[in-house]
Amino acid sequence: EPEVTQTPSHQVTQMGQEVILRCVPISNHLYFYWYRQILGQKVEFLVSFYNNEISEKSEIFDDQFSVERPDGSNFTLKIRSTKLEDSAMYFCASSEGPLGAFFGQGTRLTVV
Amino acid sequence: AQSVTQPDIHITVSEGASLELRCNYSYGATPYLFWYVQSPGQGLQLLLKYFSGDTLVQGIKGFEAEFKRSQSSFNLRKPSVHWSDAAEYFCAVAVSGGYNKLIFGAGTRLAVHP
Repeated sequence: EPEVTQTPSHQVTQMGQEVILRCVPISNHLYFYWYRQILGQKVEFLVSFYNNEISEKSEIFDDQFSVERPDGSNFTLKIRSTKLEDSAMYFCASSEGPLGAFFGQGTRLTVV
Repeated sequence: AQSVTQPDIHITVSEGASLELRCNYSYGATPYLFWYVQSPGQGLQLLLKYFSGDTLVQGIKGFEAEFKRSQSSFNLRKPSVHWSDAAEYFCAVAVSGGYNKLIFGAGTRLAVHP
């Protein structure tokens, strides 16, 4: 069964450092997303990406965040200067359309 | 604003018992509704979805959910729970025009006693 793959599974970084979270969406999907889940809180939408541009972003997705699809298979989330409050599980998801997004296993980001 | 409420934070059932997890949403238009499951250390797996048509939808792993517009609810059910169903369950609504911009509930953690 096709799946969304995220790497790494766990990333520890120092405050102020840049991190890049990587995702390989399902190959025939056209819509890509990032969500995050701070420990003990709800899963929150960050950004959606379609046709090589951001289609929607939340208030959380400020100038410290960026997304990119550098090639035909990868989809990345970059946090330029990490803060302690960026510690969370980050989920990548993809979909063909409004059919229910398929999520990856997540990357647990710990900022120390 | 759109919101999803899962009133039960924790539920414990015995193996073989029936299960119903509650979900209520607040949304003006016809919603797209989803249930996801998250096992420990795992990602979010789509159990089932409702877009339109038959209000009783079947999903994977023997789960079903019923959309009730009058009650703004989309409760998840399973007639006989297995120990492997222990996980956290999330109800979500997709915002019209934003397709898969999902608004999630806080989740219900299910424990299964042998």
